[in-house]
Amino acid sequence: QKEVEQDPGPLSVPEGAIVSLNCTYSNSAFQYFMWYRQYSRKGPELLMYTYSSGNKEDGRFTAQVDKSSKYISLFIRDSQPSDSATYLCAMSVYNFNKFYFGSGTKLNVKP
Amino acid sequence: EADIYQTPRYLVIGTGKKITLECSQTMGHDKMYWYQQDPGMELHLIHYSYGVNSTEKGDLSSESTVSRIRTEHFPLTLESARPSHTSQYLCASSEWEGTNTGELFFGEGSRLTVL
Repeated sequence: QKEVEQDPGPLSVPEGAIVSLNCTYSNSAFQYFMWYRQYSRKGPELLMYTYSSGNKEDGRFTAQVDKSSKYISLFIRDSQPSDSATYLCAMSVYNFNKFYFGSGTKLNVKP
Repeated sequence: EADIYQTPRYLVIGTGKKITLECSQTMGHDKMYWYQQDPGMELHLIHYSYGVNSTEKGDLSSESTVSRIRTEHFPLTLESARPSHTSQYLCASSEWEGTNTGELFFGEGSRLTVL
């Protein structure tokens, strides 16, 4: 069983839509939860970071963690064509040497 | 923008050749990593380093080797490439202390094709 499960998509939405991206995980020891965005032919870059449970908002992006359900989400409001990318969730225990990544969800926002 | 560079970006070689993928960062980060990324699959850690003269194998078994002689440089070498080594290789770095995110800064990747 994979440590982190993520729907690969692709997910195609019209510009302006609200997008919901999700990951589930099996290890209850995970405390740090991250979302990386990866544009085509580029390396991933950190988009959002959350510690433990709760919500975190940054502009059009909201990261949500539900540790009781072992479920994390990334919401994108007013999606733009420039949001078209692959979104990777990642998580770790307090040991930052080991990150567990999801397989990524490819998002396409159509103008 | 992250100051971490990988060369070559693309490489097509024949079976049995020796290759070295270069990775350099100018951020002074102590920790560096090599990940392997295949389409539709999660990133797999193949090597990491805590600092100079420190190297460790990651979760995914790999026939590659790494070295860390200088803080800024973390090359990956395959002595004899095989078609099964065809993949994208991502180098990353992070701070050892002073941050509570452990953010990974990635290079743009080296896409290796072995014929």
